[in-house]
Amino acid sequence: AQRVTQPEKLLSVFKGAPVELKCNYSYSGSPELFWYVQYSRQRLQLLLRHISRESIKGFTADLNKGETSFHLKKPFAQEEDSAMYYCALSNSGYSTLTFGKGTMLLVSP
Amino acid sequence: EPEVTQTPSHQVTQMGQEVILRCVPISNHLYFYWYRQILGQKVEFLVSFYNNEISEKSEIFDDQFSVERPDGSNFTLKIRSTKLEDSAMYFCASRDLAGITDTQYFGPGTRLTVL
Repeated sequence: AQRVTQPEKLLSVFKGAPVELKCNYSYSGSPELFWYVQYSRQRLQLLLRHISRESIKGFTADLNKGETSFHLKKPFAQEEDSAMYYCALSNSGYSTLTFGKGTMLLVSP
Repeated sequence: EPEVTQTPSHQVTQMGQEVILRCVPISNHLYFYWYRQILGQKVEFLVSFYNNEISEKSEIFDDQFSVERPDGSNFTLKIRSTKLEDSAMYFCASRDLAGITDTQYFGPGTRLTVL
């Protein structure tokens, strides 16, 4: 069975500090991995996906199949990055998403 | 920019009552989903819907649940006889293209409270 693990419930950093939100997955096939973000009082929205290999709002994530990880990184955190971040795995032709429990990122001034 | 909408934002019901949660997906989207999030827990997949039928469902989606697209715009989730453990945030999502790399757009959610 597929599983997504985000070991940290809360990550608190100061503005300008580097950020790494951890995500590990368990899946027997070739997964598609995503990061979704939920800002306060807003809906879940896609931040980035591994197949695009893009950087959004300064965030990047690299799929490491050997370590089954998809950690989200940003070199210099900003206060507006404070939000709930969910790692998700897509595992079927109908794209159903399996989510991790989420990590709350708090960036202090 | 078009968005998925959901109504109501908050629904309070008595245990054993039927509830219908409503969603209006983005108009040209073809794939529709319901997820739920019990307080403090992860977002969990319930059901996906394509071409007017259920394409996939999870173990959570038992006989008490049903989905419908009654009029080509709304997408509803019905819970026939609510239980206390159905209290959760319910999210609708939609997607336009085939292929697992295409984005699911989420609605703002309906908070269901079962008393």
